[in-house]
Amino acid sequence: ETGVTQSPTHLIKTRGQQVTLRCSSQSGHNTVSWYQQALGQGPQFIFQYYREEENGRGNFPPRFSGLQFPNYSSELNVNALELDDSALYLCASSLQDSPYSGNTIYFGEGSWLTVV
Amino acid sequence: ELKVEQNPLFLSMQEGKNYTIYCNYSTTSDRLYWYRQDPGKSLESLFVLLSNGAVKQEGRLMASLDTKARLSTLHITAAVHDLSATYFCAVVVRRTSGSRLTFGEGTQLTVNP
Repeated sequence: ETGVTQSPTHLIKTRGQQVTLRCSSQSGHNTVSWYQQALGQGPQFIFQYYREEENGRGNFPPRFSGLQFPNYSSELNVNALELDDSALYLCASSLQDSPYSGNTIYFGEGSWLTVV
Repeated sequence: ELKVEQNPLFLSMQEGKNYTIYCNYSTTSDRLYWYRQDPGKSLESLFVLLSNGAVKQEGRLMASLDTKARLSTLHITAAVHDLSATYFCAVVVRRTSGSRLTFGEGTQLTVNP
């Protein structure tokens, strides 16, 4: 139990639609990162939010966007869904710079998105 | 661009045997994580290696980091079926905009009785 909750756990969308995924970070954590994990691959960094601002972005197009709220929870929005967007989307909760400092990074259980 | 390569990608081993998973990365970093993932599940943190020469052990798993060789190893001793899972290494690169994890492709381990 990491204290990081994601919703929904599974969903099916049609190509071209839009989706919003949600993440509640662990208490006291001010940074949320989102990762996409396609089947059989390692997670890939989408972006990170720190104190409600985007704080780094991976190689994902602008149709992937996000928000962080004052309580540090976060949303990942994907517009104009494509078949290749089918993946497990993982939210990671941490303190700022935890990956470098070695502080624990907590992953949620993920949201499985299938685009048909 | 940072590349992280694991080998082997698939590993089938007998219970009681030893084996090593290798993680090579392409840029300078002295921070490396190992994670375990069971099918359909999220990532479970195993080890955090924070300096050159770091070695950590937990049960039948031991991880080490050689930053000069840009190599980390995950050694499995006397494997048991419960270790069957996919193992990922993840390298940290610090940027002005914060640090992030770059993952390898994963090593799918199957331990057979």
